[in-house]
Amino acid sequence: EIVLTQSPATLSVSPGERATLSCRASQFTSINLAWYQHKPGQAPRLLIYGASTRATGIPARFSGSRSGTEFTLTISSLQSEDFAVYYCQQYNDWPFTFGPGTKVDVK
Amino acid sequence: QVQLLESGPGLVKPSETLSLTCTVSGGSISSYYWSWIRQPPGKGLEWIGYIFDNGTTNYIHSLKSRVTISVDMSKNQVSLKLTSVTAADTAVYYCARGRYGDYVAWVDYWGQGTLVTVSS
Repeated sequence: EIVLTQSPATLSVSPGERATLSCRASQFTSINLAWYQHKPGQAPRLLIYGASTRATGIPARFSGSRSGTEFTLTISSLQSEDFAVYYCQQYNDWPFTFGPGTKVDVK
Repeated sequence: QVQLLESGPGLVKPSETLSLTCTVSGGSISSYYWSWIRQPPGKGLEWIGYIFDNGTTNYIHSLKSRVTISVDMSKNQVSLKLTSVTAADTAVYYCARGRYGDYVAWVDYWGQGTLVTVSS
């Protein structure tokens, strides 16, 4: 099973600042990784798939990248609606797995 | 706009069967795979299993003996049954739609989830 580790667990950011979230895979996974945003009481929202492709309707301030087994989600300029929990998820191998999440809150 | 709505009992007794339904609106069941994912209170997300529109299923090993996922194309619904539940099955249960082609790919829509508590 591929284990995903996310860091930091909590990221405190001021509106307008840049947020960088990390997700590390325990073993090689090609590019089959997605990022989701989750707010309490709402359905999780797909942001990125294929490690770096933005989903339909996702603002350009969200970007994804990969270096080896390290994946990064960057929010270039945090807006008030971006405070949420962010999960990475791999769909390379079954069982599909999620990271534990990074909570982005207001500094 | 695609919407997924989970429904079912919020309270299930230990040893009984948990049954949930996901009603899909704004889109078809066809050409996608459909998953159930859960999150116990204070814990991480766990993928229970998925079903293709042709009925082929795949479940996680730890739940394989107790879980059944099915689709009803005529009702645009996906169902989850989990037998012999214990307190460890208490969780928010999510329905999700996924894309597939040459491989099973990303989930693009989720429901908002439904909390199921296992307690006598």
